[in-house]
Order: sequence, then structure tokens, then C-alpha cells
Amino acid sequence: DTEVTQTPKHLVMGMTNKKSLKCEQHMGHRAMYWYKQKAKKPPELMFVYSYEKLSINESVPSRFSPECPNSSLLNLHLHALQPEDSALYLCASSQSSGGADEQYFGPGTRLTVT
Amino acid sequence: RKEVEQDPGPFNVPEGATVAFNCTYSNSASQSFFWYRQDCRKEPKLLMSVYSSGNEDGRFTAQLNRASQYISLLIRDSKLSDSATYLCVAYSSASKIIFGSGTRLSIRP
Repeated sequence: DTEVTQTPKHLVMGMTNKKSLKCEQHMGHRAMYWYKQKAKKPPELMFVYSYEKLSINESVPSRFSPECPNSSLLNLHLHALQPEDSALYLCASSQSSGGADEQYFGPGTRLTVT
Repeated sequence: RKEVEQDPGPFNVPEGATVAFNCTYSNSASQSFFWYRQDCRKEPKLLMSVYSSGNEDGRFTAQLNRASQYISLLIRDSKLSDSATYLCVAYSSASKIIFGSGTRLSIRP
């Protein structure tokens, strides 16, 4: 089973709202990732968790706050977002940390900030 | 110069044709390479890893040329379902995970 699930599929939020994106995998992978993808652009890495610890933060604004409650779950907490944060947010996982292994992506959450 | 560069295309080829894409990378310390395909409004899906000795998976062949710092993807006997954007990815311990901007492929009947 190479499935990564993400909820919700779509999210519309105002600039003053607080919301969370969720990601889950049951492949026993030890690394999990958040990416942001704008239309017609490649995914941009935001965060990497390795063995449940944050190992990479690609200078992401603090209005995005990741959390890894356990080895299967990854959350992205959103607060005071801007309209330019509207994008597809992708979660991925891989066997080992860092990105040297193949990554498996979830279907993404399409976020619109109004 | 971008760390990973791809010809954006689009490549428009007839069904049954052979098509090849290249992807160049600038970081000579890059260690791992992958090809993903992404359909419109969907997530990237792993197509194949790229090994130094080259590797084949059915109609798909991937090659790595470390001397010239590029990877390639060859698709033989292309199908309509191969229409997608193909993303190359390079990983290094320094610059981490870098996606190319993707090459659009359109297969026509």
C-alpha cells in the first residue's frame, strides 16, 4: 500500500481564520514532507520531518506551522494567511529521511485564501 | 542558473512515437535522481528512480550522465495516457530536494 491521504481536499479560508491540513501514511515511512505548488509551477519544499523531528524548514513564514504528532501523521497549521498563499499543498512520505529515497505524494489540499 | 533545468515543452508527438526528455542539474554533488509524472490538477506520481547504470521499466528508460550532469527519460511506443507533465528531481545533502519545472508531453491519436 503506497497511499498517502490528505484532508480536506479543498479548503477556503479567510485571512483571519485558523485551519489545519492533515496528512497520514501507514507505510512505515520515517520521513514526511510538506510542499506548496502553485499553478504551472513545480512543487516547492516547505518542511521535512525525519523520525518525527523537524529537520528542514525552507524559510517558510511563521503563519505556516507544521506538527508531527506521531510517525504516521503530519499536520500543517495555518493562521493569518495571505491570498498569495492560495495553492495546492502536497504531503509526501519516504522510507528514509532527507529526500534521497522515492517520495510518495498524497492527493493534496487545494487551498484558497480570501 | 536554475539548479535543475528542463525544457518546458510542450512536446506534441503521435501515438506510438518515441520521445526523450533531458534534465540538467548544476550541483555536481547531487546524489539521487527521480522522474515523476504529474497529471493536470493531480499529485506527482513516482515514475522511476534513475540509477547510474541506467534502468528500464517497460516502455520507460532512464539514464544518468554524471560527466555532463544530466538525466534523461525515454518513452517508447507512447500511449495517449502518457500525456502529462514530467518532473525531474535531484537530491543532494546540501541543496536537498530540487524539482525541475517540468516538461509537458501531449500524445495525439
